[in-house]
Amino acid sequence: QQQVKQSPQSLIVQKGGISIINCAYENTAFDYFPWYQQFPGKGPALLIAIRPDVSEKKEGRFTISFNKSAKQFSLHIMDSQPGDSATYFCAASMESGGSYIPTFGRGTSLIVHP
Amino acid sequence: NAGVTQTPKFQVLKTGQSMTLQCAQDMNHEYMSWYRQDPGMGLRLIHYSVGAGITDQGEVPNGYNVSRSTTEDFPLRLLSAAPSQTSVYFCASSSRAVAGGNEQFFGPGTRLTVL
Repeated sequence: QQQVKQSPQSLIVQKGGISIINCAYENTAFDYFPWYQQFPGKGPALLIAIRPDVSEKKEGRFTISFNKSAKQFSLHIMDSQPGDSATYFCAASMESGGSYIPTFGRGTSLIVHP
Repeated sequence: NAGVTQTPKFQVLKTGQSMTLQCAQDMNHEYMSWYRQDPGMGLRLIHYSVGAGITDQGEVPNGYNVSRSTTEDFPLRLLSAAPSQTSVYFCASSSRAVAGGNEQFFGPGTRLTVL
């Protein structure tokens, strides 16, 4: 059973447009929701994260929207740039033994055309 | 700080061969983990460790062994490689969670092909 479902699998956006990636989770015990960005040939890196006590978090052009009742969260990239072209992973986790080991979605390959 | 380092970057094995993927971190992180990344499957947890001498299984542990004798190192062993283990392997580390969450620091990955 896939605990974190991510869509779309791929996304093509024009420069300056808005990129939206959606995720849904099953386990209501999850309480930390990070997004990771991965460039080709590199390891993933944390982009932005949210806890369920807030409905939105914004960092620059990147915004997470969180809907606890629907068990859904999404990443919005405003004014998308070619440099944003990467694979994006949503994740969900809960505290276990002092750490939060994430369960990842399957990823979204974003291409931003100039 | 070098962060999380992985060796080798690339490896080709024949079915049945064994090898060890190396992972080291210099951030004094307690937690380390191994993931495999396959097209369309995301990142799947193989094994993880919450400290030296303590390891546990993740989502896809079969065919892999780990040990954690020091805080810095967390090697992943393939005892008898199979074509199904062809993948990109990532090691990650993290510190104890503060303020309700923590960041996973990933290494650059090892691309493994099993023929």
